[in-house]
Amino acid sequence: AQKVTQAQTEISVVEKEDVTLDCVYETRDTTYYLFWYKQPPSGELVFLIRRNSFDEQNEISGRYSWNFQKSTSSFNFTITASQVVDSAVYFCALRMYNNNDMRFGAGTRLTVKP
Amino acid sequence: DTAVSQTPKYLVTQMGNDKSIKCEQNLGHDTMYWYKQDSKKFLKIMFSYNNKELIINETVPNRFSPKSPDKAHLNLHINSLELGDSAVYFCASSKESGANVLTFGAGSRLTVL
Repeated sequence: AQKVTQAQTEISVVEKEDVTLDCVYETRDTTYYLFWYKQPPSGELVFLIRRNSFDEQNEISGRYSWNFQKSTSSFNFTITASQVVDSAVYFCALRMYNNNDMRFGAGTRLTVKP
Repeated sequence: DTAVSQTPKYLVTQMGNDKSIKCEQNLGHDTMYWYKQDSKKFLKIMFSYNNKELIINETVPNRFSPKSPDKAHLNLHINSLELGDSAVYFCASSKESGANVLTFGAGSRLTVL
């Protein structure tokens, strides 16, 4: 079975702090894809990043970075120098190769206070 | 142009009524989906359609029925609405295969009174 766990239900930080959102996944497949989506207060779901299971290279995009470690089945997301606009619910998701079912974690609500 | 558009954005109705939510995508994608997001923000897949064929149907009551007149549209019909159906329903689309990103619509908030 495929499963995504985001153990942090809510996180609150003060602006300019760094914050890491955890994501742990379970799958028996060797080929799979991991995603992060952002859901701001306005409600839409915005795609942030995709990683495939064969690419463990970490990625940085501006203030965002992602740490993928197959050994611990984790795909963590770090925001450096957080800003109020980063306040949102962040979802980690897992999708198998050749399977249309994208499984989402329960989400982590991040609040960045000024 | 909105890539994935769904209407209506808000829907308030009485228990027992039948309602539909429409979804259209202009991305040329092969697969379309319906997800339900409850009040605790849990996102759960309900259906997906690939070339007019239902390929996923989670444990969703048969009061819910997806209808796809063509590859660009996947509408959601709900019969005999219940209080527990109140949620935000998201339509999404993607190219076929697991590698591809889902593009979501803005969501339709359904409130059943």
